Amino acid sequence: EPEVTQTPSHQVTQMGQEVILRCVPISNHLYFYWYRQILGQKVEFLVSFYNNEISEKSEIFDDQFSVERPDGSNFTLKIRSTKLEDSAMYFCASSVIGGGETQYFGPGTRLLVL
Amino acid sequence: KQEVTQIPAALSVPEGENLVLNCSFTDSAIYNLQWFRQDPGKGLTSLLLIQSSQREQTSGRLNASLDKSSGRSTLYIAASQPGDSATYLCAVTFNDYKLSFGAGTTVTVRA
Repeated sequence: EPEVTQTPSHQVTQMGQEVILRCVPISNHLYFYWYRQILGQKVEFLVSFYNNEISEKSEIFDDQFSVERPDGSNFTLKIRSTKLEDSAMYFCASSVIGGGETQYFGPGTRLLVL
Repeated sequence: KQEVTQIPAALSVPEGENLVLNCSFTDSAIYNLQWFRQDPGKGLTSLLLIQSSQREQTSGRLNASLDKSSGRSTLYIAASQPGDSATYLCAVTFNDYKLSFGAGTTVTVRA
């Protein structure tokens, strides 16, 4: 069964460094999402992406964050200058279409900012 | 503000007992509601999706109901097993495409 994959599974970085989190969505899906979960807190929406542009973003998704679909399969989240509070599990998800369809989640990347 | 609430935060039952997990949401104008399972330190596994026009969905031992007018959904897991121990998350799509999550109910099924 097709699944969303994410790399790396764990990333440790120093405050102020740039990180890129990578995702490969399910191949026939058109909508892509990033969510994050700070330890002990709710899963929070960051951004949705469709047709090579951001369709919606949350207030968390400030200028430090960017997303890109560099080729036909990868979907990336870049954090330009990491802060301690960016430490979280980051989940990528995809769906066939937006709105009424099931979102399928990847296994997550655990980011630790020191 | 659109909120999703799950009560209780934790639940412990003996094996074989039926599980009843509750989810409430503040705005009845929803597209759909999705239930997920999360194992410790792991990703989210989609269990069931209920469209706003549906009253319930079933998959094996799982049954989820939706009452939009009262802003509630219930996930029933029949004849619980130790392997059902996990955190169950409810997520709602309101008037947009993003999921708004509850904090989850952590279930322990005792053998």
